[in-house]
Amino acid sequence: QSVLTQPPSVSAAPGQKVTISCSGSSSNIVNNYVSWYQQLPGTAPTLLIYDNYKRPSGIPDRFSGSRSGTSATLGITGLQTGDEADYYCGTWDSSLSAWVFGGGTTLTVL
Amino acid sequence: QVQLQESGPRLVKPSQTLSLTCSVSGDSISSGDYYWSWIRQPPGKGLEWIGYIYYSRSTYYNPSLKSRVDITVDTSKNQFSLNLSSVNAADTAVYYCARYDSSGYHIDYWGQGTLVTVSS
Repeated sequence: QSVLTQPPSVSAAPGQKVTISCSGSSSNIVNNYVSWYQQLPGTAPTLLIYDNYKRPSGIPDRFSGSRSGTSATLGITGLQTGDEADYYCGTWDSSLSAWVFGGGTTLTVL
Repeated sequence: QVQLQESGPRLVKPSQTLSLTCSVSGDSISSGDYYWSWIRQPPGKGLEWIGYIYYSRSTYYNPSLKSRVDITVDTSKNQFSLNLSSVNAADTAVYYCARYDSSGYHIDYWGQGTLVTVSS
């Protein structure tokens, strides 16, 4: 059981929009920055979003992040088949004094 | 461009110690600005943070693994290492080394990962 809760899977058609939630608590999401990672099949994860909403250079603005209270959300617009991947949220948990990841969400572009 | 590369035995026997090394290029571990981390992923499962080390030798570990984990830095070789003791089949995973940025709030570089199997 992960400290951060994500839906196991989401799906949408090409060109559509999808959101992936990451639910936590006051010891993690509320008071610490959230980051998001994309893991394409058979590869290492890569950074998508950091500090709740910032994009590293090279990440298209189709990807967005937000945080509200104990939850964070990753949004992806203009879905492409190449977006099919596993997505993970992560942050520091002040009570555990440890970094925590969400359980991951598999995105299927139908 | 920062690059990280894991190395070490791919097969470890139960009850033994798993030892991996991460070689860093394109950055100096002794620069002191980053956290150097190990993360693992069992086959077909999600990511699990093992721990990280800061240049001052401060370490932070996953509470569920803390009694078995040791992360160390060798600045002369620009490497950092993971030792995980008393392994069992549940420790079979792809092990990634990674760099957290200076804030410690996100991972900006990952190694490619190495699969370590625990089996007799």
